[in-house]
Amino acid sequence: DAGVIQSPRHEVTEMGQEVTLRCKPISGHDYLFWYRQTMMRGLELLIYFNNNVPIDDSGMPEDRFSAKMPNASFSTLKIQPSEPRDSAVYFCASRSLTGELFFGEGSRLTVL
Amino acid sequence: QQQVKQSPQSLIVQKGGISIINCAYENTAFDYFPWYQQFPGKGPALLIAIRPDVSEKKEGRFTISFNKSAKQFSLHIMDSQPGDSATYFCAASSGGGADGLTFGKGTHLIIQP
Repeated sequence: DAGVIQSPRHEVTEMGQEVTLRCKPISGHDYLFWYRQTMMRGLELLIYFNNNVPIDDSGMPEDRFSAKMPNASFSTLKIQPSEPRDSAVYFCASRSLTGELFFGEGSRLTVL
Repeated sequence: QQQVKQSPQSLIVQKGGISIINCAYENTAFDYFPWYQQFPGKGPALLIAIRPDVSEKKEGRFTISFNKSAKQFSLHIMDSQPGDSATYFCAASSGGGADGLTFGKGTHLIIQP
């Protein structure tokens, strides 16, 4: 299995632009998580899905952030409009039936 | 999210020594306590995990010690090697891991040759 696949790996954009991050979870995993990592705040859970349904989005920082999971093999995290303080590494992770989280390699976002 | 407090922030250990990282939690509903290892430019990867029905779990050179009454758990790395140099995160969740992990802030470990 190729693992959790995220794209893009790096994104540099200007303040006010829309950013879309993409994730393909491991086949057969029924939970998908989006995390954000910064030096100051560490790893923060933003939102997670079970069987494509959002379960808890209390970690989403503002209405500028939205996430969707239209099917079991694809999820997006969108930021519109983006701001410099959104600069971070965004990780997607899927959960195996034994409870282990598998993380992708992350999308490093820089908002100028 | 309930907080998980991790210490130290950084740690330098000589090759062959024992590395010890500590975590404390508040939420008594937590029932799953994993440790993750992260190398630069990579996502975190599961190292070892424990559930509160046991006080210790060992996998190779890595051991988790768990103290339910004190709400603390720790990672011990025996015979530390330069390849162990990475950032280590403790985490906790309820629902057997289904509720999403709450992570500690991480420990940057350096093993000196």
